Amino acid sequence: DGGITQSPKYLFRKEGQNVTLSCEQNLNHDAMYWYRQDPGQGLRLIYYSQIVNDFQKGDIAEGYSVSREKKESFPLTVTSAQKNPTAFYLCASSPLNEKLFFGSGTQLSVL
Amino acid sequence: QKEVEQDPGPLSVPEGAIVSLNCTYSNSAFQYFMWYRQYSRKGPELLMYTYSSGNKEDGRFTAQVDKSSKYISLFIRDSQPSDSATYLCAMSDQGNQGGKLIFGQGTELSVKP
Repeated sequence: DGGITQSPKYLFRKEGQNVTLSCEQNLNHDAMYWYRQDPGQGLRLIYYSQIVNDFQKGDIAEGYSVSREKKESFPLTVTSAQKNPTAFYLCASSPLNEKLFFGSGTQLSVL
Repeated sequence: QKEVEQDPGPLSVPEGAIVSLNCTYSNSAFQYFMWYRQYSRKGPELLMYTYSSGNKEDGRFTAQVDKSSKYISLFIRDSQPSDSATYLCAMSDQGNQGGKLIFGQGTELSVKP
């Protein structure tokens, strides 16, 4: 059963806490992406990676960090520096220069 | 001004109606235009993809691009309750559909039986 798996589905963060969102794909895609979705603002690119051990900042990278140690995995850490983390986070993957496939998302909220 | 503007709705129509969803954009370099459908709290899925100007039809869906007016549209014929979702337009100036997409805000559509 191929696809993109995001976990957890819901996540709560306390003040000053770092939290990590998981994204795993078994589609053998080279590229992976993280988007943030806020009501009324569409999707905004946080980070993307086109190859293992390499990644680039998107439009709103401040307060976030990523790693790409394996082709299948692209976890996103929301750090305490991100002052407004409440949002729906979407991970996507694609073969290079091909269409995006999205995961089912993680809703992050602040306690 | 945002690069891509999309009426957020919500838009409510009766079953069987023709639906018109629209986006305007400001960057004349955009060449690749997409429409995504997103059901509530799910990931978006690609619905239509168009390169440059013109029309593309797929079943009940038609995508139109007018580059001279910087305006794209998605038409849904014979709308069904299962079409109720948020529709996102997206576009790129790069030669692929990859992550460097600029998305509209999304239009929430409700089709009533």
